[in-house]
Amino acid sequence: QVTLKESGPGILQPSQTLSLTCTFSGFSLSTYGMGVGWIRQPSGKGLEWLANIWWDDDKYYNPSLKNRLTISKDTSNNQAFLKITNVDTADTATYYCARVNYPGPFAYWGQGTLVTVSS
Amino acid sequence: DIQMTQSPSVLSASVGDRVTLSCKASQNINKNLDWYQQKLGEAPKLLIYFTNNLQTGIPSRFSGSGSGTDYTLTISSLQPEDVATYFCFQYNSGPTFGGGTKLELK
Repeated sequence: QVTLKESGPGILQPSQTLSLTCTFSGFSLSTYGMGVGWIRQPSGKGLEWLANIWWDDDKYYNPSLKNRLTISKDTSNNQAFLKITNVDTADTATYYCARVNYPGPFAYWGQGTLVTVSS
Repeated sequence: DIQMTQSPSVLSASVGDRVTLSCKASQNINKNLDWYQQKLGEAPKLLIYFTNNLQTGIPSRFSGSGSGTDYTLTISSLQPEDVATYFCFQYNSGPTFGGGTKLELK
């Protein structure tokens, strides 16, 4: 059974760095073709893809946010991570991680974690 | 960037109706398109992958079609539990989601 769960700080201040963790089970990020992606959704709005990391450690970022994003993984502990630097109120959203089979789709999703950026 | 335009943004239909949702790409995406369903307060759920492949466990009333820049999600007979927002997603280049179609019951 594949499960994913996101964790984050809940609330942080503008200009800080957001660190998110995706802890998963039921698959390995060392398996050929496997990946984890991050997607976010402001309340009441649409979905925005942020980044993917693949089994071979290849990384793929949303070009509009690339300079602020860093995705990484810890294969031995079944975790993936996303950092977003210099956050702003516009980064307030529910953040999801999802398992992706190369080259897509996102077949399994976590429940999401709400992140609020506020001073 | 490839822009994905979904239409209509809101659709009202009756139980039993055949419903068609549209997704148009700003350039050819070579059928690299998925459809997701998101119910209120829940995470998105994969319905259709690579244009026309039904995800395991999804009812057969859902189907997808299309090519090039134009793609369609069809629900053959709308059920009350299908009330949700539907998003298309292209991964041909610089992955992007469409803005969504909110499906309501009339």
